[in-house]
Amino acid sequence: EPEVTQTPSHQVTQMGQEVILRCVPISNHLYFYWYRQILGQKVEFLVSFYNNEISEKSEIFDDQFSVERPDGSNFTLKIRSTKLEDSAMYFCASKGVFSYEQYFGPGTRLTVT
Amino acid sequence: AQSVTQLGSHVSVSEGALVLLRCNYSSSVPPYLFWYVQYPNQGLQLLLKYTTGATLVKGINGFEAEFKKSETSFHLTKPSAHMSDAAEYFCAVSNDYKLSFGAGTTVTVRA
Repeated sequence: EPEVTQTPSHQVTQMGQEVILRCVPISNHLYFYWYRQILGQKVEFLVSFYNNEISEKSEIFDDQFSVERPDGSNFTLKIRSTKLEDSAMYFCASKGVFSYEQYFGPGTRLTVT
Repeated sequence: AQSVTQLGSHVSVSEGALVLLRCNYSSSVPPYLFWYVQYPNQGLQLLLKYTTGATLVKGINGFEAEFKKSETSFHLTKPSAHMSDAAEYFCAVSNDYKLSFGAGTTVTVRA
């Protein structure tokens, strides 16, 4: 069964450093998403991406964040200058054109020290 | 605007007992509603969804949920809890571009 994959599973970085989180969505899906979950809190929407552009973004997704689909398979989230409060689990999700449900990857745990 | 409220952050049930997790939604358009489960240190797995049609939807692992428009609710139930149901459960509402999640309900199952 096809699934969304994410790498790395855990990333530790120092405050101020850039990080790139990688996702491989399900191959025939065209809608892509990033969510985050700060420890003990609910899952929050960050950004959605379709047809090579951002469809919607939340207030969390400021200028420090960017997304890219650099090739036909990967979908990345970049944080330019990490802050302590960026520590969270980051989930990638994808959705097919004619379906309603989003399929989630296992997440990347980002720890900013 | 859309949002979800899950009543009860923790639910404890005995093995074999009914599991009832409450979810109320707010949506300016007809909602798409979902329940996801998150096992410890894992991602989110879709349990079931409501889009249109039958208001009682069945999902995986014996769970089901009923969409009640008049009550703006989408409560999740399972007739008989199993130890493997211990997890965190999230209700979510969707437009085309994003899911809005509730705060989650942690279920513990007592032997």
